[in-house]
Amino acid sequence: QKEVEQNSGPLSVPEGAIASLNCTYSDRGSQSFFWYRQYSGKSPELIMSIYSNGDKEDGRFTAQLNKASQYVSLLIRDSQPSDSATYLCAVNTGGYQKVTFGTGTKLQVIP
Amino acid sequence: DAGVIQSPRHEVTEMGQEVTLRCKPISGHNSLFWYRQTMMRGLELLIYFNNNVPIDDSGMPEDRFSAKMPNASFSTLKIQPSEPRDSAVYFCASSRQGVDTEAFFGQGTRLTVV
Repeated sequence: QKEVEQNSGPLSVPEGAIASLNCTYSDRGSQSFFWYRQYSGKSPELIMSIYSNGDKEDGRFTAQLNKASQYVSLLIRDSQPSDSATYLCAVNTGGYQKVTFGTGTKLQVIP
Repeated sequence: DAGVIQSPRHEVTEMGQEVTLRCKPISGHNSLFWYRQTMMRGLELLIYFNNNVPIDDSGMPEDRFSAKMPNASFSTLKIQPSEPRDSAVYFCASSRQGVDTEAFFGQGTRLTVV
């Protein structure tokens, strides 16, 4: 089993809709969870972090964490074409800040 | 701060040659990560350092790969000899110590081995 799993997509949503991206992880001891966005040919950039169960909102983005189910999700409200990118789920899976990434979900927002 | 700086941005080399990738982490960050990204395998953690000490190199694919961090402001990833299957984008990232800290990525080095 991979440490961090995501559906590769592509996930296609119409402009203005809600995009829902999901991620599961295997290490129950994980404490920190991150969502990165990566545009084609660019480096990953952090968009959200979450550390406790529940929801965390930042603008159009909401991260959701359920440690009992080992599940992290990212919701993007009012999706825009500029949101089209690959979204990487990352988990701190050990001490010394070891950060493991999922393979990413490609999101396409259709105008 | 200039962010994480990697060099070169692009490298084309012939099979069998030695390749050295360089990284300067953000000042004050004490964790450094080397990742490799390919279409097939995504973003793979190769090795990470904490306070210049290699903590986990289990992701290093073979003995042809080696990494060093001689001081807090510099790290290298070396491939010797290089092979076509090493072609990928190699990212360096750094972070501060702490549970709630994010990793900041450099712009990456696109390596092509022909």
